[in-house]
Amino acid sequence: QQPVQSPQAVILREGEDAVINCSSSKALYSVHWYRQKHGEAPVFLMILLKGGEQKGHEKISASFNEKKQQSSLYLTASQLSYSGTYFCGTRGLYDYKLSFGAGTTVTVRA
Amino acid sequence: DAGITQSPRHKVTETGTPVTLRCHQTENHRYMYWYRQDPGHGLRLIHYSYGVKDTDKGEVSDGYSVSRSKTEDFLLTLESATSSQTSVYFCAISGASGSTEAFFGQGTRLTVV
Repeated sequence: QQPVQSPQAVILREGEDAVINCSSSKALYSVHWYRQKHGEAPVFLMILLKGGEQKGHEKISASFNEKKQQSSLYLTASQLSYSGTYFCGTRGLYDYKLSFGAGTTVTVRA
Repeated sequence: DAGITQSPRHKVTETGTPVTLRCHQTENHRYMYWYRQDPGHGLRLIHYSYGVKDTDKGEVSDGYSVSRSKTEDFLLTLESATSSQTSVYFCAISGASGSTEAFFGQGTRLTVV
């Protein structure tokens, strides 16, 4: 079952902040966040694990509420390079599936 | 960059013909996934594998089959291609632990006419 993302799209000016939400109906072991530029493959941003551990490669933060099976990705002081489609991926406690949401398209304008 | 290669990168095929897409990895990762990407639907999981000869269905598996006879190769077969299977197909790999990230191939654009 795909996780549900919101909003579907957001338009920002450089320097503004945005939050992307992801929720799942099943118990989760981990939440993954990826960004995809047009015509390219998705690229890993961050992973959040049950128990609070967080691993990321960029200056983008996220949270994971294990009780509610929800995660949020925080884009702060957005830059033009933040434009793209953001996907959350979820991995359940009891299976090996990595399912993704429908994506959130972020457009950052100068 | 993770060693993951999809082939072919582009394919046009006729309705009713079988089609096989290949995903090859050099990372020795345990998990391999096939997704399709369509506007408005994001990435939808077709099938996945958690080891050699160990596969399972994803969310949109009807009309697709997979095989994994070696760690490095994961094949996706459209048994009889239909126009609704026109899409971009992505393969992804990840390590043995649920705490590792997934790496995506560059995608295969399939058009069924």
